[in-house]
Amino acid sequence: RKEVEQDPGPFNVPEGATVAFNCTYSNSASQSFFWYRQDCRKEPKLLMSVYSSGNEDGRFTAQLNRASQYISLLIRDSKLSDSATYLCVVNIGEYGNKLVFGAGTILRVKS
Amino acid sequence: GAGVSQSPSNKVTEKGKDVELRCDPISGHTALYWYRQSLGQGLEFLIYFQGNSAPDKSGLPSDRFSAERTGGSVSTLTIQRTQQEDSAVYLCASSKDDSSYNEQFFGPGTRLTVL
Repeated sequence: RKEVEQDPGPFNVPEGATVAFNCTYSNSASQSFFWYRQDCRKEPKLLMSVYSSGNEDGRFTAQLNRASQYISLLIRDSKLSDSATYLCVVNIGEYGNKLVFGAGTILRVKS
Repeated sequence: GAGVSQSPSNKVTEKGKDVELRCDPISGHTALYWYRQSLGQGLEFLIYFQGNSAPDKSGLPSDRFSAERTGGSVSTLTIQRTQQEDSAVYLCASSKDDSSYNEQFFGPGTRLTVL
């Protein structure tokens, strides 16, 4: 079983749609959680951290369920510029800041 | 300010040759990480440095892979006797320190192709 699992997609949605991505992780000792965004042939960039209480940043909302070892990302009012691969990332915390990445979910927003 | 830089951006080599990949972290960042991303795969952790020491080398795929960091700044990843399965994008990241809540900033990567 992979340490971090995501639906690879692609999710093809029209502009303005709401789309949700899910992710599960296997290591119950995981300490911190993130969503990164990766554009085609570019490096990953932090989109947002994920907190147990849930957090929102503009059109983006992230949720964490530690009991179910489940992380979600909700994007409202999708823009063409949201098209990218979204990486679910978990810090397993055995040694410092060791990140484990999911394989990513592809989002394509179409006009 | 300047971000993480990596060189070369692209490297094509023949099977069996050695290659060195370089990473310049963000100035003042004490933690540095190496990952690789194979086509269609997620990022795979290789090694990380806090200062000049490497507390976690668990991700290095074989003893052909090694990395060093000197002066708490620049790091080099060396792959000896390259194999075709080593072809991937090698990404370097740095963070302020190795706290698990610090953002990691990634460089643009080195695309390695082993013929």
